[in-house]
Amino acid sequence: AQTVTQSQPEMSVQEAETVTLSCTYDTSENNYYLFWYKQPPSRQMILVIRQEAYKQQNATENRFSVNFQKAAKSFSLKISDSQLGDTAMYFCAFMKQALGGGADGLTFGKGTHLIIQP
Amino acid sequence: DAGVTQSPTHLIKTRGQHVTLRCSPISGHKSVSWYQQVLGQGPQFIFQYYEKEERGRGNFPDRFSARQFPNYSSELNVNALLLGDSALYLCASSLAISGFQETQYFGPGTRLLVL
Repeated sequence: AQTVTQSQPEMSVQEAETVTLSCTYDTSENNYYLFWYKQPPSRQMILVIRQEAYKQQNATENRFSVNFQKAAKSFSLKISDSQLGDTAMYFCAFMKQALGGGADGLTFGKGTHLIIQP
Repeated sequence: DAGVTQSPTHLIKTRGQHVTLRCSPISGHKSVSWYQQVLGQGPQFIFQYYEKEERGRGNFPDRFSARQFPNYSSELNVNALLLGDSALYLCASSLAISGFQETQYFGPGTRLLVL
């Protein structure tokens, strides 16, 4: 079974600052995906970024980028030029790559509550 | 394009009752997964369906069941409701090209309160 650990229950930064959210995971799988999802107060789970384990290049989506360290089983999210709308719960998630579906679905961490202060 | 839709948005039930939650995936997506999210926690995997067959099941009791229809929509059924079943139930769909799971896109969820 896989586990995902987010060690920062809450973080607070000023608008326009850069913030990094930490995530570590444990798995014996070699082929998998990692994701960051954002859940604002509306509770709609929104995909932020995705990383395939076989890719060495770190994924980037506009102001969001990851630092993927496969050997260390670390997957941190960096948010640059943070905006008030970035305030939300952020969940790190793992999914193994398997035909017919990751039989375990997504495994989520407990989340980090990110607050962007004006 | 419409995203994942779920109904109802909110539901209040009493202990012992039965509930059915519904989900329609993004057009063209063949796989649907269900998750339970209790307050203050990350979502927990319940079921995954692909091409109308159950492909994965999380650690939930047999009171939980689901099915996927020919149009790829899905239902989650919970029998003999307990207070602890109160949660946000999330449905997610994925394209699943050639059967391989990929990114899951979530619906807005159904908030279930059991009294």
